[in-house]
Amino acid sequence: GAGVSQSPSNKVTEKGKDVELRCDPISGHTALYWYRQSLGQGLEFLIYFQGNSAPDKSGLPSDRFSAERTGGSVSTLTIQRTQQEDSAVYLCASSLGTGHTGELFFGEGSRLTVL
Amino acid sequence: GQQLNQSPQSMFIQEGEDVSMNCTSSSIFNTWLWYKQDPGEGPVLLIALYKAGELTSNGRLTAQFGITRKDSFLNISASIPSDVGIYFCAGQLGGGSEKLVFGKGTKLTVNP
Repeated sequence: GAGVSQSPSNKVTEKGKDVELRCDPISGHTALYWYRQSLGQGLEFLIYFQGNSAPDKSGLPSDRFSAERTGGSVSTLTIQRTQQEDSAVYLCASSLGTGHTGELFFGEGSRLTVL
Repeated sequence: GQQLNQSPQSMFIQEGEDVSMNCTSSSIFNTWLWYKQDPGEGPVLLIALYKAGELTSNGRLTAQFGITRKDSFLNISASIPSDVGIYFCAGQLGGGSEKLVFGKGTKLTVNP
């Protein structure tokens, strides 16, 4: 696709359920980032992929959060046993991965609401 | 960890006015970037800065990479209604660290 695609755009779930959020980066982009944005807040770094490897996963809040990337393309962020404080917009971004790696292209985000 | 202090938190201005916002950090960054986020969308890159002291323009936007590498500012001249949104600064440590740290944002409101 032309841009970063995220799905679902909205997800409402019950506390304790698992959720999976998907990100399709721009074709050819080797770097992929996940951020979390709570209402009215800045972007909180979660994890960064270069290819299928995650050199920096320092932002994952707890072991309930995990992410993987396959084929150097699609990434899935999984949140197990969701809690109400997990409610936020989860943003995915990709970049070329070489040279100007801070130039991120963001998707529109997946809004997660945990009841 | 690295934190970016962005100010002001919000601004209310009249159309046609100039705007200035800035970002400071206790850490040295090798790259500074400015993004804009519209409601319901992901942030979009406005300007990227790669050298200390660098001053870069993009239309009515001008940004500078502070000489100490610990700060950056963004100026918007002759604001228009479509400038409304949240502006984020971001810093990248470099040196093998590709993590991009974001400030908490400056919410800009432009009154016609």
